[in-house]
Amino acid sequence: QVQLQESGPGLVKPSETLSLTCTVSRGPIGSYYWSWIRQPPGKGLEWIGYIYYSGSTNYNPSLKSRVTISVDMSQNQFSLRLSSVTAADTAVYYCARGYSYGPFDFWGRGTLATVSS
Amino acid sequence: QSVLTQPPSVSGAPGQRVTISCTGSSSNIGAGFDVHWYQQLPTTAPKLLIYGNDNRPSGVPDRFSGSKSGTSASLAITGLQAEDEADYYCQSYDSSLSGYVFGTGTKVTVL
Repeated sequence: QVQLQESGPGLVKPSETLSLTCTVSRGPIGSYYWSWIRQPPGKGLEWIGYIYYSGSTNYNPSLKSRVTISVDMSQNQFSLRLSSVTAADTAVYYCARGYSYGPFDFWGRGTLATVSS
Repeated sequence: QSVLTQPPSVSGAPGQRVTISCTGSSSNIGAGFDVHWYQQLPTTAPKLLIYGNDNRPSGVPDRFSGSKSGTSASLAITGLQAEDEADYYCQSYDSSLSGYVFGTGTKVTVL
């Protein structure tokens, strides 16, 4: 079955840009919605945004001004860029496969991104 | 921001039945969008438990069931087992936010 794996720096300085990549294996990236979801330590889940395989995107309004999600179908990867980070952006970041208005059926293991100088 | 409200915690003895509520509004659950449920064991990624209000993915025990009515949904766990101790989240789509929303999360404790 499909597998997702997040990768990227574990430590980011305040005001800089957090960049993460999700590699999709054992399945196509086409025909699905690919999301980023985060979870601050000890807190709940927050949807960040998604990209459809065609390239269309939709972002959480609370993060929209700082978020960019892109896809590279040739590499079976999609990426997250979150700019102007603060300590409040410290979280475990998950990538997940989803459907239009539907559930997230496959998730990556998550990667902890810490914002600190 | 969590627009779906869940009780912070529920508990039960082994073998008992527990339910978790998920209260939304007219822009999400009440608008007809499906509700999905996830189980998150300690230090692991969430796992899809129920999709489309009341459907179980392959491999999920039938002890887990979901329902939806009006602006709310519920997850029931019957025959509670020690391995069910985890955090549970509901999720839907919100038309006002034009995006996905999660519940506040509920910690299930097996006494």
